[in-house]
Amino acid sequence: KAGVTQTPRYLIKTRGQQVTLSCSPISGHRSVSWYQQTPGQGLQFLFEYFSETQRNKGNFPGRFSGRQFSNSRSEMNVSTLELGDSALYLCASSLGIAGVNEQFFGPGTRLTVL
Amino acid sequence: DQQVKQNSPSLSVQEGRISILNCDYTNSMFDYFLWYKKYPAEGPTFLISISSIKDKNEDGRFTVFLNKSAKHLSLHIVPSQPGDSAVYFCAASYGQNFVFGPGTRLSVLP
Repeated sequence: KAGVTQTPRYLIKTRGQQVTLSCSPISGHRSVSWYQQTPGQGLQFLFEYFSETQRNKGNFPGRFSGRQFSNSRSEMNVSTLELGDSALYLCASSLGIAGVNEQFFGPGTRLTVL
Repeated sequence: DQQVKQNSPSLSVQEGRISILNCDYTNSMFDYFLWYKKYPAEGPTFLISISSIKDKNEDGRFTVFLNKSAKHLSLHIVPSQPGDSAVYFCAASYGQNFVFGPGTRLSVLP
């Protein structure tokens, strides 16, 4: 069974631009969660989507948004990029809701904002 | 305010010895806890979990202990192997709340 895939793997943008990251979950998984990882901050939860509905949202500004499609694939969008948005963005999928179901992570998208 | 804390950013252990990774949480509502391991350039992978109705869960070389009164859990790896060198994240959840700790980098020295 194919794992979680994320595209692109690396991305370089400049301040003020916007970016869209994509995540394809494991087949059959209905939950997709997004995390931001920065040095010293660990994994910061962005949001979780379950059956195309945002189920939970972390403490991030409205510039960070996401959506989930009927095939469970998910996209995350960051508008008006700031230098501090440079991070590794991880996507994770699970059969059921995150937190009580094992999450399977993708390799991440490394975003650099110049 | 960090709800899940891993106060040791790094830990070094000799191969064959026990590794003990600690995690503290502040919210007594958390009722499910998980440990994930992360190698460089890879996403985290699930290791082991424990429900708040238990105080111990074991899976091979990995054992997680939960002390609810102290709001503390620990991951024991016995014996430690060089391949265990990675960053370990503790996570806690209840309802719609799911929080990761900042991680502890474990180095197992041959």
